[in-house]
Amino acid sequence: DADVTQTPRNRITKTGKRIMLECSQTKGHDRMYWYRQDPGLGLRLIYYSFDVKDINKGEISDGYSVSRQAQAKFSLSLESAIPNQTALYFCATSDLGTGGADTQYFGPGTRLTVL
Amino acid sequence: GENVEQHPSTLSVQEGDSAVIKCTYSDSASNYFPWYKQELGKGPQLIIDIRSNVGEKKDQRIAVTLNKTAKHFSLHITETQPEDSAVYFCAASGGGSGGYQKVTFGTGTKLQVIP
Repeated sequence: DADVTQTPRNRITKTGKRIMLECSQTKGHDRMYWYRQDPGLGLRLIYYSFDVKDINKGEISDGYSVSRQAQAKFSLSLESAIPNQTALYFCATSDLGTGGADTQYFGPGTRLTVL
Repeated sequence: GENVEQHPSTLSVQEGDSAVIKCTYSDSASNYFPWYKQELGKGPQLIIDIRSNVGEKKDQRIAVTLNKTAKHFSLHITETQPEDSAVYFCAASGGGSGGYQKVTFGTGTKLQVIP
């Protein structure tokens, strides 16, 4: 079984709808992240969480919210989806390694289309 | 903040030839430089990384070099094979211990290995 799973894998929705993307991990990592991937822009951080009680905004958090329900679960919500939120979304986990280096472990991604 | 530039954006090589992808970074405090490979329909996966106290690291056909003075690092793939075809991302993360060391990703290089 995959260590980091995301549901759904694909979603098509309409402008104004509320959408939730879910992420679960079995790696036992404390740190979880949500990224957005757009062609030519690489991966941009939306939100990150160090533990259940610690939620932090990333560089592009506007229009998004998150919930860390448990150590293993981190969900991303779009309260009112808009077309420019059409993108590939990745959840990732990490565990601070030696020398202070975070290696990120990514889920398979959710392709979201907002019409 | 950190800025990571990655070149080229696309790269086509004949099977058996070498491929080189280059990245530059702006923050001299960055001390960890991972490379990720993203295959079609999957999330990025770490393939090799290097820390700032090392100039070069090899793993079979893959090598990474780091020039701290010039603030650039490169991925070298020798004897390329069709299964090397993917999008490759470089990244840089900052120094210090504990806390969040922001990971900044490059914009990706789409490598195509022609049989």
